[in-house]
Amino acid sequence: EPEVTQTPSHQVTQMGQEVILRCVPISNHLYFYWYRQILGQKVEFLVSFYNNEISEKSEIFDDQFSVERPDGSNFTLKIRSTKLEDSAMYFCASSGIQGALENTGELFFGEGSRLTVL
Amino acid sequence: QKEVEQDPGPLSVPEGAIVSLNCTYSNSAFQYFMWYRQYSRKGPELLMYTYSSGNKEDGRFTAQVDKSSKYISLFIRDSQPSDSATYLCAMSKGGSYIPTFGRGTSLIVHP
Repeated sequence: EPEVTQTPSHQVTQMGQEVILRCVPISNHLYFYWYRQILGQKVEFLVSFYNNEISEKSEIFDDQFSVERPDGSNFTLKIRSTKLEDSAMYFCASSGIQGALENTGELFFGEGSRLTVL
Repeated sequence: QKEVEQDPGPLSVPEGAIVSLNCTYSNSAFQYFMWYRQYSRKGPELLMYTYSSGNKEDGRFTAQVDKSSKYISLFIRDSQPSDSATYLCAMSKGGSYIPTFGRGTSLIVHP
């Protein structure tokens, strides 16, 4: 069964360092997302990406964050200068099968990348 | 009022019990309703998806949507210890398709 894969599974970094989290979405999906989940809290939307550009973003997704789909398969989330409060599990998701009538929002999630900022 | 409200639990039941999990929401624009299951330190896994009001059944799981009351439910019949997880409701609007998640309800099924 196709799945979303994420790397690394866990990254520890110092405050102020840049971090790149990588995702390979399901191959025939068109919409890509990043969510985060701070320990014990709800899953929060960060950004969605469609047709090689950001389609929506939340208030959390400020100038420190960027996303990219550099090669048609990988989908990356970059945090330019990490803060302590960026410590969380970051989930990549994809949806929207090519050729479907509409994107209903059935997201398929990866296992997550745990980011620890010290 | 939060857009999606979900009691975090924990909800502890004996094996074989019928489990009822619920969410309420405030935004009448939501049209697509989903339930995800999340095991500890794993990504959410899509369990059920429904569009608009009505029921949908899949094995031991039944999802219900009552748009008039802005209330959705997930029922689990013959619950098993392997059902122990956090259950997240999520919903999205037509045109946006960005699911908004509830906090999740922690379910513990003990043998």
